[in-house]
Amino acid sequence: GQNIDQPTEMTATEGAIVQINCTYQTSGFNGLFWYQQHAGEAPTFLSYNVLDGLEEKGRFSSFLSRSKGYSYLLLKELQMKDSASYLCAVMDSNYQLIWGAGTKLIIKP
Amino acid sequence: DTAVSQTPKYLVTQMGNDKSIKCEQNLGHDTMYWYKQDSKKFLKIMFSYNNKELIINETVPNRFSPKSPDKAHLNLHINSLELGDSAVYFCASSQGVMAGEVVETQYFGPGTRLLVL
Repeated sequence: GQNIDQPTEMTATEGAIVQINCTYQTSGFNGLFWYQQHAGEAPTFLSYNVLDGLEEKGRFSSFLSRSKGYSYLLLKELQMKDSASYLCAVMDSNYQLIWGAGTKLIIKP
Repeated sequence: DTAVSQTPKYLVTQMGNDKSIKCEQNLGHDTMYWYKQDSKKFLKIMFSYNNKELIINETVPNRFSPKSPDKAHLNLHINSLELGDSAVYFCASSQGVMAGEVVETQYFGPGTRLLVL
């Protein structure tokens, strides 16, 4: 079957760095997405990786290793507004998005 | 200038009723989706439409029926509502194919919070 694993919850301190991991097993691979979802709101697109390596976008970076079925989202200089759930999703060979359950990130002052 | 919009935002209804949720996108996208997000926050794909053709139909009860009058709209009709249908329903859209490349970033509507009593 298809599976996306990510930690349920993480806690970090304002101003620090946090890494949220995602491992996946899917039938085929057409890219990995990270979305941010604040409580009570819709998911919003953060990043897309289809090749191995690191993609940097401001305070957020996303890394992919296809051979290991592994990705991480790195958040730097954490701000209170970064408190949200972070969803990892993989597009399989049929271009269907397979979603993880999300990691709830709690930022403490 | 909302990209993906849904109505209503909140829907409280009794078991057994029939209800519809509307979705519209003004992004010119080719594909639209309906997701259900339950209390455990899993996003589950229900349907997707590409150019008015149903291309994904996960094993959802046939009480749920998507209706797409045109490329910009994908409505969700639910018959005989049950308690287990209580969830947040998200509509989303994606470009599909643009300039020969598959562009599948999905943009979500604000969600419809359905509570069945």
